[in-house]
Amino acid sequence: QKEVEQDPGPLSVPEGAIVSLNCTYSNSAFQYFMWYRQYSRKGPELLMYTYSSGNKEDGRFTAQVDKSSKYISLFIRDSQPSDSATYLCAIGVLTGFQKLVFGTGTRLLVSP
Amino acid sequence: DTGVSQDPRHKITKRGQNVTFRCDPISEHNRLYWYRQTLGQGPEFLTYFQNEAQLEKSRLLSDRFSAERPKGSFSTLEIQRTEQGDSAMYLCASSLAGTGNSGAFFGQGTRLTVV
Repeated sequence: QKEVEQDPGPLSVPEGAIVSLNCTYSNSAFQYFMWYRQYSRKGPELLMYTYSSGNKEDGRFTAQVDKSSKYISLFIRDSQPSDSATYLCAIGVLTGFQKLVFGTGTRLLVSP
Repeated sequence: DTGVSQDPRHKITKRGQNVTFRCDPISEHNRLYWYRQTLGQGPEFLTYFQNEAQLEKSRLLSDRFSAERPKGSFSTLEIQRTEQGDSAMYLCASSLAGTGNSGAFFGQGTRLTVV
């Protein structure tokens, strides 16, 4: 079993839709959570970073963490064609050297 | 642009040759990471520096790979005797330890193709 599981997609939605992206993890030592957006042939771009259960909002993006279920989500409101990219969840431990464990990424396609 | 910078962006090399990549982190960041990403996969951790000290290496980092961060600023990743399986995107990231830590920021990567 992988430490972090993420559906690879692709996930296709029309412009304006609410998008839900999810990851599950197995190690309860994981304490902080990030979401990255990656366009083709580019480096990952940090979107959201949180280390507590609950919701964190930034513009059209909301990150949700449920530590009891080992489940994290990223919601994108009013999705745009420019949101079409691969979304990676990344999870790490707060102490030590903060190695990140990534999911495989979910490819999102937003059609106009 | 004061983000993480990587050079070169692309490298094509013949099998058996040595290659070296450079990473310049965000200037105030004391932690630097190297990751490798293959097509359809998330990045995989290779190694980590706190200042100039290399504190952790993944089992993925065979003895053909070596990384340095001589003055706690830029870092280099060298691959000796490249193999076709080394073809991947090599990503560098940096972060700030302590209360200012707000996540790890990645560069644009170096795409290596071994022919």
